[in-house]
Amino acid sequence: DTAVSQTPKYLVTQMGNDKSIKCEQNLGHDTMYWYKQDSKKFLKIMFSYNNKELIINETVPNRFSPKSPDKAHLNLHINSLELGDSAVYFCASSKVGGLSYNSPLHFGNGTRLTVT
Amino acid sequence: SQKIEQNSEALNIQEGKTATLTCNYTNYSPAYLQWYRQDPGRGPVFLLLIRENEKEKRKERLKVTFDTTLKQSLFHITASQPADSATYLCGTTTSGTYKYIFGTGTRLKVLA
Repeated sequence: DTAVSQTPKYLVTQMGNDKSIKCEQNLGHDTMYWYKQDSKKFLKIMFSYNNKELIINETVPNRFSPKSPDKAHLNLHINSLELGDSAVYFCASSKVGGLSYNSPLHFGNGTRLTVT
Repeated sequence: SQKIEQNSEALNIQEGKTATLTCNYTNYSPAYLQWYRQDPGRGPVFLLLIRENEKEKRKERLKVTFDTTLKQSLFHITASQPADSATYLCGTTTSGTYKYIFGTGTRLKVLA
């Protein structure tokens, strides 16, 4: 059973289009995240949700809109795609979040987005 | 701002040797550090966690140390094998937040 699954694995689209990436976790975790990994492999946090509530929005353009319909799902919708949005997007989850806790992150295998 | 840095972008070593990767943090004191492994085309996978009051943690051929004076964590792989080749990331949360940040990663290549 896949713990954190993302779809699609690959996404090729043209500038200006709108696209969505879906994420589901079956671990019963409370906290979910979206990360962006650029061509230099740097993993940068975009959003964090805890119990369906947005906790972290890391100065991401408002063309990116996360939505958490329930604790197990965190989707990412991107409007008006730009060339610079090309990257690998990772969804992750953890049992709890915050400094007091140290539960590790469980990652999906990523969605490679290519904007042409 | 609170940062984590991994000094080496890439590291090549001979099979059988010990690989040592470095993670430095600045402008805060994390309560713990985590180490992850990332293979091409896959998400990072958690390996080890070390707390600030622990000097050392081991798991099979892996060893992690945490030096709060030097503001540094070292990750060692002993008796390295070509299968250990991957990118290794250190990460933690910034003070009092849900914000997990990662270092830039070190790409390790173990040569047969």
